[in-house]
Amino acid sequence: QVQLQESGPGLVKPSETLSLICTVSSGSISGYYWSWIRQPPGKGLEWIGYIYYDGYTNSNPSLKSRVTISVDTSKNEFSLKLSSVTAADTAVYYCARQSGSYLQLDYWGQGIRVTVS
Amino acid sequence: DIQMTQSPSSLSASVGDRVTITCRASQSISSFLNWYQKKPGKAPKLLIYGASNLQSGVPSRFSGSGSGADFSLTISSLQPEDFATYYCQNTYGIPTTFAQGTRLDIK
Repeated sequence: QVQLQESGPGLVKPSETLSLICTVSSGSISGYYWSWIRQPPGKGLEWIGYIYYDGYTNSNPSLKSRVTISVDTSKNEFSLKLSSVTAADTAVYYCARQSGSYLQLDYWGQGIRVTVS
Repeated sequence: DIQMTQSPSSLSASVGDRVTITCRASQSISSFLNWYQKKPGKAPKLLIYGASNLQSGVPSRFSGSGSGADFSLTISSLQPEDFATYYCQNTYGIPTTFAQGTRLDIK
């Protein structure tokens, strides 16, 4: 069973860069898309972007100018950087595997709460 | 962006009830529609993918239907563990978008 685990600081100052890592275990990062999704307090889910194992990325146009997603296949991990953060970026951040013909999100990390303050 | 709208936004029901949640896309998305269950403090759980395919390990009381722009999730007989928030997701294009969710409470 594939497992994902997010890691990174839980508190980021405004205007700084939020950096998170997602470590994938019990499965290979190769052959799949890997996504970041977030949920602000009291709000719904927002897709941030994904990366394919070969490095191809795509992201939500609403965040595109601030988002960098990268992958390290040797470490079986991928990462998110979100620059120039504000209080509106406070959220629980999830990493997930996106797979299948419908690119469903079938495996998720437990989530990491990040506060911008 | 394709807008996704779920209804109702909240729903109260009893154990054993049959409930249906609907999801509408602002344009046709074929069958690129997935359903998730979200409980507080937990990661979302995939229930249905491709509009009507049951994810492995998900109880058969969950079912999905629809194509084009109109979809539904049905729980045939509510169990105590089913009280949660449900989200539909469109993966037809970029960005993938989620609806606002339906909160299912115990009556």
